[in-house]
Amino acid sequence: SSELTQDPAVSVALGQTVTITCQGDSLRSYYASWYQQKPGQAPVLIIHGKNNRPSGIPDRFSGSSSRNTASLTITGAQAEDETDYYCSSRDSSGDHVLFGGGTKLTVL
Amino acid sequence: EVQLLESGGGLLQPGGSLRLSCAASGFTFSTYAMSWVRQAPGKGLEWVSTISVSGDKTYYADSVKGRFTISRDTSKNTLYLQMNRLRAEDTALYYCAKTQLGYCSGGYCYSDLLDYWGQGTLVTVSS
Repeated sequence: SSELTQDPAVSVALGQTVTITCQGDSLRSYYASWYQQKPGQAPVLIIHGKNNRPSGIPDRFSGSSSRNTASLTITGAQAEDETDYYCSSRDSSGDHVLFGGGTKLTVL
Repeated sequence: EVQLLESGGGLLQPGGSLRLSCAASGFTFSTYAMSWVRQAPGKGLEWVSTISVSGDKTYYADSVKGRFTISRDTSKNTLYLQMNRLRAEDTALYYCAKTQLGYCSGGYCYSDLLDYWGQGTLVTVSS
């Protein structure tokens, strides 16, 4: 398969923990990268590799993977976390980059 | 500070051509791969193309292969995307991104990192 599948929308209560998932065959081989995109702005890399955060990304963001699923977890979601999240991976051939369809996170 | 400034977008008719540019600064351009990613209005991200550090390897999404060409000019610290035979479905905001190519090591594979993005340039294809 050459697709990454994300739930279109997820919600979480303020201060609670939420997990956004990404499924795809390529994730059996590749660690995913995760991007956050706020309205009208360019995407920002927030998680890469096994569970690495670029400088400046809060530690409430973490990543994990199991079999064909990559997960982004936000521990103690904040109002400013309400936005779109995208996973990304190489495809199984290694020659193409895939993005998931994106998950819109609502913080209640 | 890393800066990526895209330009060259505009409105054109189906079948037309356009060249996008991305001026890079704040990092050693010649030591990083670069990518183009697009986003149709109200839609998600779609990878378009990646070029290696030296420019000898290029990769394209199936949707643009044979129509788009990615290139780079290290002397100008600039990335390009030549777009030919444009279609309505190419309408999107086009981002360039500094890229660390994915690799495999020790039994694990790591995806590409697009660690800095420009603000994008809008391409509209319409009759």
